[in-house]
Amino acid sequence: GENVEQHPSTLSVQEGDSAVIKCTYSDSASNYFPWYKQELGKGPQLIIDIRSNVGEKKDQRIAVTLNKTAKHFSLHITETQPEDSAVYFCAASIRSEYGNKLVFGAGTILRVKS
Amino acid sequence: NAGVTQTPKFRILKIGQSMTLQCAQDMNHNYMYWYRQDPGMGLKLIYYSVGAGITDKGEVPNGYNVSRSTTEDFPLRLELAAPSQTSVYFCASSLEDRGHYNEQFFGPGTRLTVL
Repeated sequence: GENVEQHPSTLSVQEGDSAVIKCTYSDSASNYFPWYKQELGKGPQLIIDIRSNVGEKKDQRIAVTLNKTAKHFSLHITETQPEDSAVYFCAASIRSEYGNKLVFGAGTILRVKS
Repeated sequence: NAGVTQTPKFRILKIGQSMTLQCAQDMNHNYMYWYRQDPGMGLKLIYYSVGAGITDKGEVPNGYNVSRSTTEDFPLRLELAAPSQTSVYFCASSLEDRGHYNEQFFGPGTRLTVL
């Protein structure tokens, strides 16, 4: 089945610096790749997603890139701020008999130091 | 809209007890999901449903049961609680067309401890 690996597990950056989180997936049929942010004590929330027909997508300070040949995708956060501190999860889609599912990476704890 | 709501927020069970985790959504979403989140392990899918009356197993279904009698509600049942089921449980929902993925909206979670 699909396996999603995420690196690094923890990341500390200085405020204003950039942060990059990388994920690899195993199922070549995957075609949807969302990124979720989870703040302490809350449920995950979608911050950006990308579909297999594009290679890059941006939304203000965050961007995601996708390399389908290499089966990896990355999250880029520029000009990091203290409120970016959270756990970030990548995910990849899989199809099943009944419908659509996501497989999540193990998560990255991002700490932005001010 | 309240979005996805979960009850209870916290629960402590003794080994062998049973309980039902409640999940409801008011967005008229067809898909609903149950995940568990263990420390440092990300989210693992327990069960999901593509509509009323249709459910399917995820990655870690053993020890759990679900039902989906209405579009709004998707309860998760633990029949014989075990310490290995200590975790944070998240319910999520999404509006899906076959082959086209959309955002999953998550509830605030239920923290369950089995002693």
